[in-house]
Amino acid sequence: DSGVTQTPKHLITATGQRVTLRCSPRSGDLSVYWYQQSLDQGLQFLIQYYNGEERAKGNILERFSAQQFPDLHSELNLSSLELGDSALYFCASSGRSEVNSPLHFGNGTRLTVT
Amino acid sequence: AQKITQTQPGMFVQEKEAVTLDCTYDTSDQSYGLFWYKQPSSGEMIFLIYQGSYDEQNATEGRYSLNFQKARKSANLVISASQLGDSAMYFCAMSPIGTGTASKLTFGTGTRLQVTL
Repeated sequence: DSGVTQTPKHLITATGQRVTLRCSPRSGDLSVYWYQQSLDQGLQFLIQYYNGEERAKGNILERFSAQQFPDLHSELNLSSLELGDSALYFCASSGRSEVNSPLHFGNGTRLTVT
Repeated sequence: AQKITQTQPGMFVQEKEAVTLDCTYDTSDQSYGLFWYKQPSSGEMIFLIYQGSYDEQNATEGRYSLNFQKARKSANLVISASQLGDSAMYFCAMSPIGTGTASKLTFGTGTRLQVTL
């Protein structure tokens, strides 16, 4: 068990809808990362937050947004969903942003858009 | 920009044998970290081993060792005494090190390992 909690495990929704994915990092970790894993794109970095502030942005669509709250949990919001957004979404956390430390991943949320 | 290349889409190994999963990388960063993750069919991503570019010794974690050859820009994962539970997808990843750099990981495309009896 990595200590990173993601909910829900599975999500099935229709095109055009909006969903929210939730992540609780490991106790004490200040950095939260979101990744998308799809069959055609592999593992893609979306966005990173450190202690409530956005630290880095990757291949995140404008229809997607995220935030990290004062209690350090994070939410990834996906709107105007398309079939191509179907993927496994991972949250990961680490202890410090500037110093290299392993990312610990949650079990992922599998999103299916129909 | 960083790039990770895993040229073996799939590998087979017999139980109790050792196996090497290849990983080469490209980066302009002076300091960087290399990681291996395991993804079983259940989907979770499990951290296995880490090697810093400044580490002179190869990293080891139990049955996992990382064969780091900096001049060749390779960071191969060696699994000794393979077990059926090692069957999974394996990802090589890297991130820069340094103050002010976001330690986001760049992943390779993965190698699917199948351990047979």
